[in-house]
Amino acid sequence: IQLTQSPSFLSASVGDRVTITCRASQGISSYLAWYQQKPGKAPKLLIYAASTLQSGVPSRFSGSGSGTEFTLTISSLQPADFATYYCQQLNSYPITFGQGTRLEIK
Amino acid sequence: QVQLVQSGAEVKKPGASVKVSCKASGYTFISYGISWVRQAPGQGLEWMGWISAYNGNTNYAQKFQGRVTMTTDTSTSTAYMELRSLRSDDTAVYYCANTANDAFDIWGQGTKVTVSS
Repeated sequence: IQLTQSPSFLSASVGDRVTITCRASQGISSYLAWYQQKPGKAPKLLIYAASTLQSGVPSRFSGSGSGTEFTLTISSLQPADFATYYCQQLNSYPITFGQGTRLEIK
Repeated sequence: QVQLVQSGAEVKKPGASVKVSCKASGYTFISYGISWVRQAPGQGLEWMGWISAYNGNTNYAQKFQGRVTMTTDTSTSTAYMELRSLRSDDTAVYYCANTANDAFDIWGQGTKVTVSS
């Protein structure tokens, strides 16, 4: 299953609301997760089952969608949020990731 | 503290093998599985395969079939990933991750593997 994220690159300012989209090549129900990765660090789980916030993740992060189209929304960007974001499907093997969305400070 | 701690960086010559370890602590290791994910320099995340910590069942990405072996030692709560016949394009950071039903919720710190003659 191929996952396509858009955009691949996003420039935004602190306080902005941003949305990243992940489209699956076939239906994956709600078996979608979102991760944040900062340079030189391991990915960090943000959202699982498409819309469930991982414990300890700020509530400004939210996820939605099912089937083939999903979104990750950050309601008010904070300096710590500038990173690369990946979606991942766990509906079927092989598990796949999107190509990533790099979020940079405008 | 719930964590996965991986072995240190490796430098290997083409054709050699590498074995990376991933030690779990702070949770019940055999309740879940361990996935291995790699990231080449400047690139995205690539899933390599999964092993059940409960019974050792595996599922490998087709790309690595025949070249990778994943194992676990439940007595030490440690998972291992061995990759053989290394090539320069295997140069990457290799991560282990605890694989619950819906996500990879705990990640190791990563192990840098460099393949160079």
